[in-house]
Amino acid sequence: EEQLLESGGGLVQRGGSRRLSCVVSGFTLSDFAMSWVRQAPGKGLEWVALISGSGGGAYYANSVGGRFTVSTDYSKNTLFLQMYILQTDDTALYYCARMAGFGSYRFESWGQGTQVIVSS
Amino acid sequence: FTLTQPHSVSGSPGKTVTISCTRNSGDIDTNQVQWYQQRPGTSPRLLIFDHNQRASGVPDRFSGTIDSSSNSASLTLSGLKTEDEGDYYCQSYDSSRIDWVFGGGTTLTVL
Repeated sequence: EEQLLESGGGLVQRGGSRRLSCVVSGFTLSDFAMSWVRQAPGKGLEWVALISGSGGGAYYANSVGGRFTVSTDYSKNTLFLQMYILQTDDTALYYCARMAGFGSYRFESWGQGTQVIVSS
Repeated sequence: FTLTQPHSVSGSPGKTVTISCTRNSGDIDTNQVQWYQQRPGTSPRLLIFDHNQRASGVPDRFSGTIDSSSNSASLTLSGLKTEDEGDYYCQSYDSSRIDWVFGGGTTLTVL
């Protein structure tokens, strides 16, 4: 059974940094593209970043480009999201999600999320 | 482009409801449309992919379609159950911007 387990959320000051982790099991991380999707309190879903499988490229939403970096450590089956210059608008529940196979654009499985709160 | 959904829909147990998702520019069938269910306090779950394909384990009470004339996608839930309550999101891909786009979400209430 697939599992995606996020961690690293918490309270951070505006302008600060935070690194989120997502440990996966039940599938080979390098075989799939992975995404981060966030959900602000009481709001909808917003795609944040995607990293292709096997060392492929990374892509970012305009709202976070230049401030967030997505990466993987295949030896640890872990996906990361390094967040810099955090703003109050970045306050959200952050989900990691496994994309479906090559050429697909759907989020096939999701973690339970980790909460990030940016205080002013 | 953006995807617009109604803010809320409701229906009685056993009845049928449909949730629409309208694309404001470009053709709805340019990129596949997906639907996700998010029950209260839980993570999203893939329901429908590639416009009308049910994800693994999704009952056939859930179905997806697209309508080119209205440039929209629709999710239909038949035989409503109280467990269907929650938020539903459509999603597609914007190849011109490398952006995964979600609709604003629709809250389903089963009365």
